[in-house]
Amino acid sequence: DAMVIQNPRYQVTQFGKPVTLSCSQTLNHNVMYWYQQKSSQAPKLLFHYYDKDFNNEADTPDNFQSRRPNTSFCFLDIRSPGLGDTAMYLCATTPGRVETQYFGPGTRLLVL
Amino acid sequence: ILNVEQSPQSLHVQEGDSTNFTCSFPSSNFYALHWYRWETAKSPEALFVMTLNGDEKKKGRISATLNTKEGYSYLYIKGSQPEDSATYLCASLTRSGNQFYFGTGTSLTVIP
Repeated sequence: DAMVIQNPRYQVTQFGKPVTLSCSQTLNHNVMYWYQQKSSQAPKLLFHYYDKDFNNEADTPDNFQSRRPNTSFCFLDIRSPGLGDTAMYLCATTPGRVETQYFGPGTRLLVL
Repeated sequence: ILNVEQSPQSLHVQEGDSTNFTCSFPSSNFYALHWYRWETAKSPEALFVMTLNGDEKKKGRISATLNTKEGYSYLYIKGSQPEDSATYLCASLTRSGNQFYFGTGTSLTVIP
């Protein structure tokens, strides 16, 4: 059974039209991550949560916001997507900083 | 930002061949290294968590070694099978860091 679920799997949006990606987990892990992976690049951390404590990476654009209403769910909001935001967005959870990360299958976002 | 490099970028091998690829990371302040396998349309899946210099881990036909003094890890696949076709990602964490930095991955294709 899937432990980290991401919806939708594929999303096409228009330039400037807000989009929300969701992630849910059944592992009850405190730590959740959002990564962005552009074509042929390494996954890049956008945000992470330790429980409700939100940590924004310094170079994450202001256009990207995140919400974690409870342990199980986390959302990535892109307020005004640009063409450069076309990427795979991965959610991951972990019980601790050094521990294995459990990934969802990703949402592939295309901005037209 | 931690510079994590993987080589080769892609690899094609015949079924039954053994293969290996490299993950290089800064050796100073090293804390942990992860290896993940990412099959197309699936979630990245953890292979190994490595922390100690000289660590050798094995999972079936796949094994990994770690040299923290010189800053590299090798992943070996013995007798490659078509189901081994995937992208293999490594990620490194420093003692003072709060995130894993990923490499761009090695894409392996095993030809039947």
